[in-house]
Order: sequence, then structure tokens, then C-alpha cells
Amino acid sequence: DAKTTQPNSMESNEEEPVHLPCNHSTISGTDYIHWYRQLPSQGPEYVIHGLTSNVNNRMASLAIAEDRKSSTLILHRATLRDAAVYYCILDGGSQGNLIFGKGTKLSVKP
Amino acid sequence: DAGVTQSPTHLIKTRGQQVTLRCSPKSGHDTVSWYQQALGQGPQFIFQYYEEEERQRGNFPDRFSGHQFPNYSSELNVNALLLGDSALYLCASSPQGALGYEQYFGPGTRLTVT
Repeated sequence: DAKTTQPNSMESNEEEPVHLPCNHSTISGTDYIHWYRQLPSQGPEYVIHGLTSNVNNRMASLAIAEDRKSSTLILHRATLRDAAVYYCILDGGSQGNLIFGKGTKLSVKP
Repeated sequence: DAGVTQSPTHLIKTRGQQVTLRCSPKSGHDTVSWYQQALGQGPQFIFQYYEEEERQRGNFPDRFSGHQFPNYSSELNVNALLLGDSALYLCASSPQGALGYEQYFGPGTRLTVT
């Protein structure tokens, strides 16, 4: 499976937008880009996913570069509850075998 | 809908002992995957069960085994515990044939081996 590269940590102020980057230069044409997050003392939870086009849902937006070698998860207004580790994962249809990296630890300051 | 539940929440075992962890999948899900998450690391895939059989397996030794019951619940067994087995063990469920975004994770079982 293709690898992803994310910054170890990022900081944000409450109610400001947050852009979490992910590089995946070896992505294949059939790989979906998934984002999961893990709040303290909880299991990971799905945030958003996409293939080629930008995606929006109630939690976040996903911006995918035209060459698909990078993507950015956008939280439009960070809240204290958004403090978590965010994982960018490529999935080529593994039917459940998700390969997690270390993710980005997001801290949100009041 | 209770979501994915796991038991116990925490447990402490001694090196060399055996442990069994349990998972009940989200309602309507028939596939269960298990992950190990060491401190400061992302989860690592152990194996997946569907139709009471192991369908996929990650890079884990045979000391790690599992079972799935007719009601889709699952157990993870670890024999001959090592100190390095100390971790958070996560269970995830999904519908059969689901893509990655359809995984629902439980809160995990924190295993400490002394």
C-alpha cells in the first residue's frame, strides 16, 4: 500500500480554520484518500474520504491536488473538541485493512 | 444503536499468561477487524474475520488468534504474553465488502503486560 506523510503536530486557535496537509506521492489511480481522527481515549472515527474531486461533509472538507499526490483536510472552524490525532490513509479497496501512519496531533488553543 | 462495544476496558496480565478480548460489532455489520495500537503509534492491522473465518492477516505471530461467532461478535486471543504486547487493542466493524471509510471502531481495550 502507498505511504502517506503528515506533520507530527500542528496548533490552531479556537474558531479559526485549520488546514492539515498530507503527501502521498506514490498514490495509485484506484486509491481512495481517507481521513480518520482519534480523540483522546477513543477509537479512530471516520472524517471524510475522496478519490479525485474535492469533498465536503458536515465535519470537514477535503481538498485533493490535481495530480492527487497531496491532499488537505480543512476544518472550517476549529473547536476544542477537534483536538485529536488526524490520520490520512490511502485505501485501494482493502476491505478493512487500513494502514495507519503516526498521524498529525492537532492541538486547539482557546 | 450501541455502535461497536469492547470488553473489558482495561486489564493487566503477567508475562507468559493468555488473554481474551471481546468485541460486539455495530448492528448490521458482519465483518470484524482487530488492530493493535502501541503508545504514540497509529493502529496496526492484526486480522479480519468474516463468516466466522479469518479473511486477512497482518504481520503478527501465531500467538495472536481470533474467533468470530454466528452473531458476528468476535474474540481476540493472545498467548504467551510479552511485555511488548502492552497496547490498546481496537476492534472495528463494517459491512461485508466495505471500503475503508466504512470502518467503525470501538473504544478499545487497554492491555498492560507486567
